[in-house]
Amino acid sequence: EVHLVESGGGLIVPGGSLRLSCETSGFIFSIYAMSWVRQAPGKGLEWVSTICGRGGCTYVADSLRGRFTISRDNSKNTIYLQMNSLRADDTAVYHCVYTTTVTIGGNRYFGMDVWGQGTSVFVSS
Amino acid sequence: DIQMTQSPSSLSASVGDRVTITCRASQDIRYFLAWFQHKPGTPPKALVYAAANLQSGVPSRFSASGTGTDFTLTISGLQPEDLATYYCQQYNSFPLAFGGGTKVEI
Repeated sequence: EVHLVESGGGLIVPGGSLRLSCETSGFIFSIYAMSWVRQAPGKGLEWVSTICGRGGCTYVADSLRGRFTISRDNSKNTIYLQMNSLRADDTAVYHCVYTTTVTIGGNRYFGMDVWGQGTSVFVSS
Repeated sequence: DIQMTQSPSSLSASVGDRVTITCRASQDIRYFLAWFQHKPGTPPKALVYAAANLQSGVPSRFSASGTGTDFTLTISGLQPEDLATYYCQQYNSFPLAFGGGTKVEI
């Protein structure tokens, strides 16, 4: 059974940095893509970033590129989200998501499946 | 970028009703669409992948269809435990995108 546990959230002042972690178990971590999705208070779901299995590719939402970086450590079955220059509108619950990959005609498609409980990030002075 | 539009944004229905939620993509996404159910206090749960395929364990009262730009999620025989917000999401191309959500109230 896929199990995901996020950590690293908390209260941070604007302009600060945080690194979120997502420890995983229950599947062969190195071959699966993983994603981060966030939900701001009272808002809907927003895709943040996806990393391929083995870290061969990464994708980040345009509005977050340059501030947010996704990475993974396959030896620790863990993914990370490094968040820099945090702003009030980054306040959200951040979920990591087990992501399956389908290759069709040489193109890869990433479907999100199991979600972690999330870790809360609150950016405020 | 592909925009996803859901309607309605909220609905109220009675137990046993048939409920339909629609999702429209701003461009052709073929069948690369997923549906998620999000109940308060719990993480979102995947219901449907590839537009019409139920995830394992999802009750058969849920069904989904569509291709291209127009998609639907139907709950046939609404149950109290179906109280949730439902999101569609396209994965045809990056950036991945969610619809705005449909809040279902009983």
